[in-house]
Amino acid sequence: AQSVTQLDSHVSVSEGTPVLLRCNYSSSYSPSLFWYVQHPNKGLQLLLKYTSAATLVKGINGFEAEFKKSETSFHLTKPSAHMSDAAEYFCVVSPLYSGAGSYQLTFGKGTKLSVIP
Amino acid sequence: DVKVTQSSRYLVKRTGEKVFLECVQDMDHENMFWYRQDPGLGLRLIYFSYDVKMKEKGDIPEGYSVSREKKERFSLILESASTNQTSMYLCASKRRYNSPLHFGNGTRLTVT
Repeated sequence: AQSVTQLDSHVSVSEGTPVLLRCNYSSSYSPSLFWYVQHPNKGLQLLLKYTSAATLVKGINGFEAEFKKSETSFHLTKPSAHMSDAAEYFCVVSPLYSGAGSYQLTFGKGTKLSVIP
Repeated sequence: DVKVTQSSRYLVKRTGEKVFLECVQDMDHENMFWYRQDPGLGLRLIYFSYDVKMKEKGDIPEGYSVSREKKERFSLILESASTNQTSMYLCASKRRYNSPLHFGNGTRLTVT
């Protein structure tokens, strides 16, 4: 079994300030973890992924996330927000290895990021 | 780059109509998925397919069926559309195991 909790449904930051979007997970298996971004009326775009290599993962558009097994967290950060970062962000967990349920991905409810000029 | 193409961005249908949503991917991915996305409910899995002619029910399959006759194409069928099926529908594909999902741009379906 697996689950994902995005701790904030809405985050608001000023342009140029750091972004922190929080994600906690639980999984019976070793997990793969992903962050996606969705702009209005668009599909989801992959920002970054963790699949058991380096725990600090760098993604597109200056985002990065750190896998912390002891805290079961995979928080998304960016040093300086841009207006174009305003969107909804989803944290996703899936089993790392094959086996029952390996096709199943569990999505968080999403965090809407607003960027204030 | 992986491309997942959904045939329609916006669709308006009447109650009781049979509706086909088409999805094509160009990267030879084994797995394909249909989700619906509703405000406050997040993404919910309708059906997925892990091979040609193979399908598995997701969390909310009622009122839907799917078809996968070719590896690159995965169709979602609403046998008799109802107003509660008004939603954003997202198709996705992936390789096996720990690879990420690749999404299409979505189809916003309105059933009146």
